[in-house]
Amino acid sequence: AQSVAQPEDQVNVAEGNPLTVKCTYSVSGNPYLFWYVQYPNRGLQFLLKYITGDNLVKGSYGFEAEFNKSQTSFHLKKPSALVSDSALYFCAVRDSGNTGRRALTFGSGTRLQVQP
Amino acid sequence: DVKVTQSSRYLVKRTGEKVFLECVQDMDHENMFWYRQDPGLGLRLIYFSYDVKMKEKGDIPEGYSVSREKKERFSLILESASTNQTSMYLCASSPGPSYNEQFFGPGTRLTVL
Repeated sequence: AQSVAQPEDQVNVAEGNPLTVKCTYSVSGNPYLFWYVQYPNRGLQFLLKYITGDNLVKGSYGFEAEFNKSQTSFHLKKPSALVSDSALYFCAVRDSGNTGRRALTFGSGTRLQVQP
Repeated sequence: DVKVTQSSRYLVKRTGEKVFLECVQDMDHENMFWYRQDPGLGLRLIYFSYDVKMKEKGDIPEGYSVSREKKERFSLILESASTNQTSMYLCASSPGPSYNEQFFGPGTRLTVL
């Protein structure tokens, strides 16, 4: 079975400060990992993904994420937060193996609030 | 740009009604998905389809069915709507391999009275 946990319901950060949104996962094989963002009254937008290779993945809007296999984590980061980054962020995982579920499993979401 | 459209942004139905939610994608994607989004629960997969006329149950298929007669269209059906099906419904599509990202529609907020 595959699962993902986002331990923080909400993260508050001041504009200009670095931000981190946490995600841990569980799969039986190797993971495919994704981050999505949802702005108010919008569908989800893809930010970045880890498939294989370099553990540091760069994505849209200046976001990056670090894959850590030993800690089974895939935390989302940004060096300098903007007020416009305020949104709901979802981490998702799929086991890369051919057995089991084809679809992604999403976390419960973390609301990021960036204060001016 | 990939475009995933959903037939309604807001829908209000009565308990016991049969409800159809339609989703269309314009990028010839093999895979299509239906999720419901509830506060604190994230996205939960209802059904997905990896080919025309093919479907697989997700985490919460009870009370729902789906139809995929054409590659671009994936319909979610609530056979007899109940108040606990009040939710935001999100449709998504993705190209073949499972490492590809999903593209989401804007969502349908369904209220069952």
